Amino acid sequence: DTEVTQTPKHLVMGMTNKKSLKCEQHMGHRAMYWYKQKAKKPPELMFVYSYEKLSINESVPSRFSPECPNSSLLNLHLHALQPEDSALYLCASSQDRGSNTDTQYFGPGTRLTVL
Amino acid sequence: KQEVTQIPAALSVPEGENLVLNCSFTDSAIYNLQWFRQDPGKGLTSLLLIQSSQREQTSGRLNASLDKSSGRSTLYIAASQPGDSATYLCAGGDGKLTFGTGTRLTIIP
Repeated sequence: DTEVTQTPKHLVMGMTNKKSLKCEQHMGHRAMYWYKQKAKKPPELMFVYSYEKLSINESVPSRFSPECPNSSLLNLHLHALQPEDSALYLCASSQDRGSNTDTQYFGPGTRLTVL
Repeated sequence: KQEVTQIPAALSVPEGENLVLNCSFTDSAIYNLQWFRQDPGKGLTSLLLIQSSQREQTSGRLNASLDKSSGRSTLYIAASQPGDSATYLCAGGDGKLTFGTGTRLTIIP
């Protein structure tokens, strides 16, 4: 099973709302990632978790708050977002971060619209 | 800082033709190079991963090569099919992937 699942598929929220994105994998991977992808642009890395600890934060605004409750689950908590935060949010996982042999497996993404 | 470029940005070819997609990167200290495809509005599907010690990888009709000295990777697709239409992205790094700008491929039936 090489599947990464993400919920919800679509999310519309106002600028004052609080919502969460969820990502799950059952491949035993120890590294998990959040990416943001704007239309017609490549994905941009936001956060990396390695062994359930935050190892990379690419200077992401604090209105995005990641959480890794266990090795299979990754959340992204959203609060006071701006319309320019509307994008496709992709989750990925790999066996370990930094290994030369690692393939990153991506979920289908959550399409976020901020009104 | 690693920069990854893909040329052309878009490509249309008739069904059945062989084609090559190009990827260039600025930092030769790249751990591995991955090729992905992305269908509109969807997530990424990993196609091939080339480790830094390797020069190429093959999967079915796909063949990817890596030349670290010149900072280039190519993805060769043989006998193209309409189902191959998608955006193809290359990405390099060591867990922190830097993505190229992508090539939008259209196979004309």
